[in-house]
Amino acid sequence: QQQVKQSPQSLIVQKGGIPIINCAYENTAFDYFPWYQQFPGKGPALLIAIRPDVSEKKEGRFTISFNKSAKQFSLHIMDSQPGDSATYFCAASRNAGNMLTFGGGTRLMVKP
Amino acid sequence: GAVVSQHPSRVICKSGTSVKIECRSLDFQATTMFWYRQFPKQSLMLMATSNEGSKATYEQGVEKDKFLINHASLTLSTLTVTSAHPEDSSFYICSARTTGIIGYTFGSGTRLTVV
Repeated sequence: QQQVKQSPQSLIVQKGGIPIINCAYENTAFDYFPWYQQFPGKGPALLIAIRPDVSEKKEGRFTISFNKSAKQFSLHIMDSQPGDSATYFCAASRNAGNMLTFGGGTRLMVKP
Repeated sequence: GAVVSQHPSRVICKSGTSVKIECRSLDFQATTMFWYRQFPKQSLMLMATSNEGSKATYEQGVEKDKFLINHASLTLSTLTVTSAHPEDSSFYICSARTTGIIGYTFGSGTRLTVV
């Protein structure tokens, strides 16, 4: 049972565009929602994370929007650059510190 | 920040042999470590959770006798793939969390190829 659904599977944008990646979860007990960036052959690296008590969090060019009632959250990348080309994973956990449940991943390509 | 070192980054082994992958927390104590497996173009699938000083908890469908996990200290967890077969070829990633930080730090992964 996939508890975190991520879309789209792949995404191509032009440099400077704003790719948006969406995730939906089922388990209302989840209370920690991180986003990870993964380059080929490397482990995931934490980009930004949010708790359900806020609706938006911004760190640099990365913004998470969170809709608790809809059980959805999304990642926006402002002024995207070719170096942002990677696979992005959303995740969720219950009682932050427990195991993460990952979304299926989104392969992002930013064209120069 | 918290750093997790995973070694080796790549390993090729023959069918039937065993391979050990190490995961070390360099600047913090990791009471809990997680081991994931990732096939090409797929997401991370949790294999097991290891807590220092106790037996690992394996996810459904993961053979505990094949994937031996040892977490003997607060800075080291190891995954041993025993009697490896070509279908065990995959990207294995560890992650760790601490008692004082909410978040997870991932290792750089190990590409295992069984020939």
